[in-house]
Amino acid sequence: DSGVTQTPKHLITATGQRVTLRCSPRSGDLSVYWYQQSLDQGLQFLIQYYNGEERAKGNILERFSAQQFPDLHSELNLSSLELGDSALYFCASSGSGTDNEKLFFGSGTQLSVL
Amino acid sequence: LAKTTQPISMDSYEGQEVNITCSHNNIATNDYITWYQQFPSQGPRFIIQGYKTKVTNEVASLFIPADRKSSTLSLPRVSLSDTAVYYCLVGDARGPIKAAGNKLTFGGGTRVLVKP
Repeated sequence: DSGVTQTPKHLITATGQRVTLRCSPRSGDLSVYWYQQSLDQGLQFLIQYYNGEERAKGNILERFSAQQFPDLHSELNLSSLELGDSALYFCASSGSGTDNEKLFFGSGTQLSVL
Repeated sequence: LAKTTQPISMDSYEGQEVNITCSHNNIATNDYITWYQQFPSQGPRFIIQGYKTKVTNEVASLFIPADRKSSTLSLPRVSLSDTAVYYCLVGDARGPIKAAGNKLTFGGGTRVLVKP
C-alpha cells in the first residue's frame, strides 16, 4: 500500500460529460502529480501541484483542470469527454522528509468513455 | 529535463539476472536516477534510486558510471512475478519543492517478460 488513495477506482460515462477524479496523498506529502496512461501507452505527465499551488504543467488538455485543496487532497476535472479520454489516471505524491523526489502512486482511476 | 532511452522489451528465464540499461546523456548535476516497476493496471512502484556509483537494496542493484550518462538496473535471479514494465526516471532531487515545478516525465519503459 503506497499510502496514496484514489477514488473512484472505475468510472464509466458518456461522451460530452464531466467527471471528477480524487486523490489523497500520503501523509505529510505536499506535492501531487497527475498522470494519464492510455492502453499500451506510457505514463503521460499532466500536472503537478505543491502545497496548493500549480507548479508544472505537461500535456494537459484545456478541457482538463486540477486543483489541490488546503487539506492537500487533489481533484482532476475532465470535461467535454471524448472517447480518446478513456485511460487509466494515476495520482502520485512526494515531498515528505527524505523521500522528496520519490513518487508514490495510487492504484489509479480507470475511466471509460462510451 | 533529461530525456531517457531504454530498450523496449527484454525476455529472460526464471533464476537469471536481468540487466536493463537506461541512457540519459544530458543528465544535470542535481538529477537523481530512479527506477520504477509497473504491473498491468497498477500504479508504478519505486524500486531503487541513486546518484552515482552503486546502490543496492533488497530487490535490485543500480549501477551508475562516473559520467552518469547511463545507469543499469540489475534484477538478480528473477521470477515469473518480476514480469512487468520497468521505467527509468531522471529528475531533480529538489524537484517537488522547486518554484518551477517538476515535470517528472516517464519514458516508454522496458517490458520484461520472465519465462519459466
